[in-house]
Amino acid sequence: GNSVTQMEGPVTLSEEAFLTINCTYTATGYPSLFWYVQYPGEGLQLLLKATKADDKGSNKGFEATYRKETTSFHLEKGSVQVSDSAVYFCALIGYGGATNKLIFGTGTLLAVQP
Amino acid sequence: DTAVSQTPKYLVTQMGNDKSIKCEQNLGHDTMYWYKQDSKKFLKIMFSYNNKELIINETVPNRFSPKSPDKAHLNLHINSLELGDSAVYFCASSQGINMNTEAFFGQGTRLTVV
Repeated sequence: GNSVTQMEGPVTLSEEAFLTINCTYTATGYPSLFWYVQYPGEGLQLLLKATKADDKGSNKGFEATYRKETTSFHLEKGSVQVSDSAVYFCALIGYGGATNKLIFGTGTLLAVQP
Repeated sequence: DTAVSQTPKYLVTQMGNDKSIKCEQNLGHDTMYWYKQDSKKFLKIMFSYNNKELIINETVPNRFSPKSPDKAHLNLHINSLELGDSAVYFCASSQGINMNTEAFFGQGTRLTVV
């Protein structure tokens, strides 16, 4: 079935460090891929998305490129800030039958220290 | 105005009780969801409704019964609560059953069963 695997956290970085959070997926067909972010005490918010191979999603300095050959959608940011501390979820739309489901990875906690 | 609002935000109750969580969205979306997030932050879809009709029903115990009185509301009723039901429950909405569009999440309801 469809699934998403992300790197285990927590990831602890100093401010202005480079961030990579790995995400790989298993899916039939051509899924759409997403990164959601959950700040402490809040619900999830869409951070970025990509709907086809080689698309790059970007928002707030974060980027991720849809790589079909490696079935990956790694999240990157060149210089993290303390305010980026949150849990990051990689997700895909699992196409199947008459309904589509948003399937999440296990989440990666990012802690940025000043 | 809050786009997706859930009440209550916190719910502490004893085993065996029956409780409800309410969700309302003011985005004009026609599809609403319930997700369960466990203590390890893992998110799993429970139910999805489109135009008040159930379209996704994952393998959730039948103690959980969603009710959608109209497109803007999706409530979750839980009978005979068990310790394992303790989790954060998120309501979400999107436009259409194709979740290619952004899903908006509520702030969550932290349910603690004692």
